[in-house]
Amino acid sequence: GENVEQHPSTLSVQEGDSAVIKCTYSDSASNYFPWYKQELGKRPQLIIDIRSNVGEKKDQRIAVTLNKTAKHFSLHITETQPEDSAVYFCAASKTGGGADGLTFGKGTHLIIQP
Amino acid sequence: EPEVTQTPSHQVTQMGQEVILRCVPISNHLYFYWYRQILGQKVEFLVSFYNNEISEKSEIFDDQFSVERPDGSNFTLKIRSTKLEDSAMYFCASRFQGPQHFGDGTRLSIL
Repeated sequence: GENVEQHPSTLSVQEGDSAVIKCTYSDSASNYFPWYKQELGKRPQLIIDIRSNVGEKKDQRIAVTLNKTAKHFSLHITETQPEDSAVYFCAASKTGGGADGLTFGKGTHLIIQP
Repeated sequence: EPEVTQTPSHQVTQMGQEVILRCVPISNHLYFYWYRQILGQKVEFLVSFYNNEISEKSEIFDDQFSVERPDGSNFTLKIRSTKLEDSAMYFCASRFQGPQHFGDGTRLSIL
């Protein structure tokens, strides 16, 4: 089955700096890659997703890049703010459609230092 | 914005007892999922459900687990004989055509 590795496990950056979180996946059949943000004790919330027919996607301060050949994808957050502090999970699934379950990475605890 | 709702928020159960976790997916959604998250670990897929039957299940979803959509709104996860290692946060999720939307979770504590 699919295996998703995520690095780093903890990332501390100064407010205003950029943060990059990286994930690799094992199953070349995976085509859908969402990123979820989870604040302490709360539900995972989708912040951005990308499909394998696209190499990059941006939404304001957040961007995701995908390298299908190398089987890795990354989350980029620019101009970080205190409210960006949370645990971020990458995930993968075959289609992102139908009833496919998501395989998650282990998460990155992002800490924004004031 | 509509949300997935889960009840109860916290469930404490004696080992060996049966427990039912309840979810109300977003009303027009067709696909339903259960995930679990052991404290400090990653979210793990358990099962997906569509058209009144299980579509996909993981190795974690063994014979002690079952899911049901007893009516047009609820989606339940039953654990028949709970073990200590079932202690975790259980998330329900649903989707229509877009991404999966998660509920707030039920924290299950097995004593």
